[in-house]
Amino acid sequence: NAGVTQTPKFQVLKTGQSMTLQCAQDMNHNSMYWYRQDPGMGLRLIYYSASEGTTDKGEVPNGYNVSRLNKREFSLRLESAAPSQTSVYFCASSTGGDSNQPQHFGDGTRLSIL
Amino acid sequence: AQKVTQAQTEISVVEKEDVTLDCVYETRDTTYYLFWYKQPPSGELVFLIRRNSFDEQNEISGRYSWNFQKSTSSFNFTITASQVVDSAVYFCALKEDSSYKLIFGSGTRLLVRP
Repeated sequence: NAGVTQTPKFQVLKTGQSMTLQCAQDMNHNSMYWYRQDPGMGLRLIYYSASEGTTDKGEVPNGYNVSRLNKREFSLRLESAAPSQTSVYFCASSTGGDSNQPQHFGDGTRLSIL
Repeated sequence: AQKVTQAQTEISVVEKEDVTLDCVYETRDTTYYLFWYKQPPSGELVFLIRRNSFDEQNEISGRYSWNFQKSTSSFNFTITASQVVDSAVYFCALKEDSSYKLIFGSGTRLLVRP
């Protein structure tokens, strides 16, 4: 019963490098989300995908791109990493973004950019 | 604008004490949903409870209870007879019915000492 799976769990990058964070869910959820968590700031929404084939910006989208590859997978790409993007990244999914159902989260990816 | 405030940054209690975590929210929507999540030291986010704006009935689940008061825009969380395993960061979150976004508070770190 995997739920939401994120890879990798840890990553260290140099400034300017690119990287894609992977996320997959096996709950047949329609909506998927990417958040970042910084100390003292809770979680902030980067991008979300209400349904397969759609993506929209969240609160802090600058410096990121996303791809909803299929219903199960939603990837987050950093094209040119910056130290300000050092954070813990969480992927989440829910039945539907317009419903009141809770979002279920992956275990997170700890990303450090030097 | 939607906003969630968790004014208590950190709380420290001795095991078996009762503790209340405060959550105050702001929204203009008449239909909205409130959530509590737990983030233990291992880092994952665990869904605890969802409340709909039209249901002000308080809820109890074992040692956990939630007090939802629309008059004060608060959704407080009480742990009775706290245990060391309750040590975690607790997040309150708000979702408006008209939005896909889940807005998190900055979290309250609870430390339960033996």
